Amino acid sequence: AQSVTQPDIHITVSEGASLELRCNYSYGATPYLFWYVQSPGQGLQLLLKYFSGDTLVQGIKGFEAEFKRSQSSFNLRKPSVHWSDAAEYFCAVGGTNTGNQFYFGTGTSLTVIP
Amino acid sequence: EAQVTQNPRYLITVTGKKLTVTCSQNMNHEYMSWYRQDPGLGLRQIYYSMNVEVTDKGDVPEGYKVSRKEKRNFPLILESPSPNQTSLYFCASSLSMQGTETQYFGPGTRLLVL
Repeated sequence: AQSVTQPDIHITVSEGASLELRCNYSYGATPYLFWYVQSPGQGLQLLLKYFSGDTLVQGIKGFEAEFKRSQSSFNLRKPSVHWSDAAEYFCAVGGTNTGNQFYFGTGTSLTVIP
Repeated sequence: EAQVTQNPRYLITVTGKKLTVTCSQNMNHEYMSWYRQDPGLGLRQIYYSMNVEVTDKGDVPEGYKVSRKEKRNFPLILESPSPNQTSLYFCASSLSMQGTETQYFGPGTRLLVL
């Protein structure tokens, strides 16, 4: 069965520091990969997505993610975190490669210290 | 404005009282989906629909029904709600099921079943 693992339940970083959120997936082929952000009391917003090609993907709000096939990982990064980045982050796999279903990780909650 | 709307946003009900949560999108999207979000479990897909009159089960369909009679609407029906269906529910839509398409999420419906 497909699965998505986000090993870090909660991360705290100082404003201006770099950030890396981990995501590992379990799937036979390369799925379509996504990162979403959920601000408190809000729905989910897509940060970036990967299907093929360049393994380094740029997204909105200064985020990027790198797909590493050998590690089945799709980690999210940001060079300098802003206080407004405090939110819940979800990694997901989905699309036609996963039988038209989407699978989400359990999320990583990010706290930003001024 | 392109959006996914859900109603109601908040709902308190009692065990066994049938309820419907509506979902509507104004983007002419083919693919629509329902998720539930629970602490520590992330988002789990309940049902999805590839197009009008085409629906399929996600990971956690038990206790739920859906219908897709019109392209824009995808209601979620709880015939006999139980306390374990207390959750935050999200509707989402995308142009198609191709992985390149972005899923747009509604604002969520918070349901409490007593």
